[in-house]
Amino acid sequence: AQKVTQAQTEISVVEKEDVTLDCVYETRDTTYYLFWYKQPPSGELVFLIRRNSFDEQNEISGRYSWNFQKSTSSFNFTITASQVVDSAVYFCALSEAGEGNNRLAFGKGNQVVVIP
Amino acid sequence: GAVVSQHPSWVICKSGTSVKIECRSLDFQATTMFWYRQFPKQSLMLMATSNEGSKATYEQGVEKDKFLINHASLTLSTLTVTSAHPEDSSFYICSATNPGHYSNQPQHFGDGTRLSIL
Repeated sequence: AQKVTQAQTEISVVEKEDVTLDCVYETRDTTYYLFWYKQPPSGELVFLIRRNSFDEQNEISGRYSWNFQKSTSSFNFTITASQVVDSAVYFCALSEAGEGNNRLAFGKGNQVVVIP
Repeated sequence: GAVVSQHPSWVICKSGTSVKIECRSLDFQATTMFWYRQFPKQSLMLMATSNEGSKATYEQGVEKDKFLINHASLTLSTLTVTSAHPEDSSFYICSATNPGHYSNQPQHFGDGTRLSIL
C-alpha cells in the first residue's frame, strides 16, 4: 500500500494564482516526519519543510504555506501568488521513526506548471 | 551546512561500460546513505540503503550484482553500475543522513547523476 498519496499528477496555473498540492499519508507509527521537496527541471531536490507528528501548527514561509491535519492524515502545501520559477515537481515524503534510519517514502509528485 | 556532493553530474557511455557514481557528505558524517533511481516523470525509487562499514540493503527487484554499492567511510558512498546497458539509463540520486546522532535528521540530497547508455 502506498504510504504517501499525491493525487494530482499535473497542475497548471496562470501566474499569480494560488495553487494547493494535496498530500495524504498513511502510517501506524505515532512518531513520524513529513517533508516537502521541490525538484526543478535541473533535477536536484530542494528541501522545503519538515514537520514532525507532534507539531500540528501550520507554517508560512514567504509565499509557501503548509496545512498539517492529523485527523485527515494530510499535509497540504499552498503556493500563493505563483511565479514562473515555481514550475517544478513537488514531492511529499514520509519518514517513520520506527524505521530507525530516516528512510523516506515519497509520493508520486505533483508537476506544477505556472503559465506566464 | 549539510552539503552532499554527487559526482559526476552527467555521464554518457557505451553499452557494456561500468560507471561509478560518488556521493560525498562534505560537512557531516553520514552513517547512512541512500541511492535512488528516477525515470522521467516518475517519483524517486529507493534502490538501496547503505550503512558505513556494512553491506548495503537492496530493495526488492534491484540486482545486487548489477548495482554495486560501497560505503567504506563516513563521508563517501559509491554506486557502480556494472556492464551498463541502455535500460540502465536514468537519473540516479544519493542522499545522506546520520540517524544515530540525532533522532530525526533529514536526508540531504546530492544533485543527481544523469546516466545515458548508448
